[in-house]
Amino acid sequence: DIQMTQSPSTLSASVGDRVTITCRASQSINNWLAWYQQKPGKAPKVLIYRASTLESGVPSRFSGSGSGTEFTLTISGLQPDDFATYYCQHYYTQPTFGQGTKVEIK
Amino acid sequence: EVQLVESGGALVQPGGSLRLSCAASGFTFSSHEMKWVRQAPGKGLEWVSFVGSSVNNIHYADSVKGRFTVSRDNAKNSLYLHMNSLRVDDTAVYYCARVGGYIYGENWGYNANWGQGTLVTVSS
Repeated sequence: DIQMTQSPSTLSASVGDRVTITCRASQSINNWLAWYQQKPGKAPKVLIYRASTLESGVPSRFSGSGSGTEFTLTISGLQPDDFATYYCQHYYTQPTFGQGTKVEIK
Repeated sequence: EVQLVESGGALVQPGGSLRLSCAASGFTFSSHEMKWVRQAPGKGLEWVSFVGSSVNNIHYADSVKGRFTVSRDNAKNSLYLHMNSLRVDDTAVYYCARVGGYIYGENWGYNANWGQGTLVTVSS
């Protein structure tokens, strides 16, 4: 199985900050990577797929980049609605998720 | 608008069985791959099962293989997860998801839409 290592596990930031979350795959995943946002008690919501394609309706302050085994999710100008937990997931083979990154208010 | 509504979650004893349902609407269900994903209380996300638009294309996580069976009824726009020999560590919220971006032989698709989830608690 391909393992996904996500960092950091927790991130403290302020409204307006630029935030970056990293996800590393144990082998190449051919850019088949998605990012999800989850708020407490709610289902996850897809933000990015194919490593860098923004899902329809997702604000443009979210962006994804990377290739091979290293990927990043960037939030440019953190908004109050963005405090949540973020997960990466590869879907190249049997899917696996990263451990999650909780973005907290500083 | 895509809607996925799970049901069937309950408290069940270890070794017991349960069937989860997912009612789909707002898209052509028969043309779409679907997945089940679960989340144990306070933990991360875990993929459970994949079913293709053709029921010959089915996969399970090792943690549930041989105990869980996924099925679909395209006439009823419904997805099911039959769970047998339930264990305490199967306790989780179970989500169904519509797959997006699937390319046969190249990827397994991402989770484009999610239901609200249904809670399964396995405890004596």
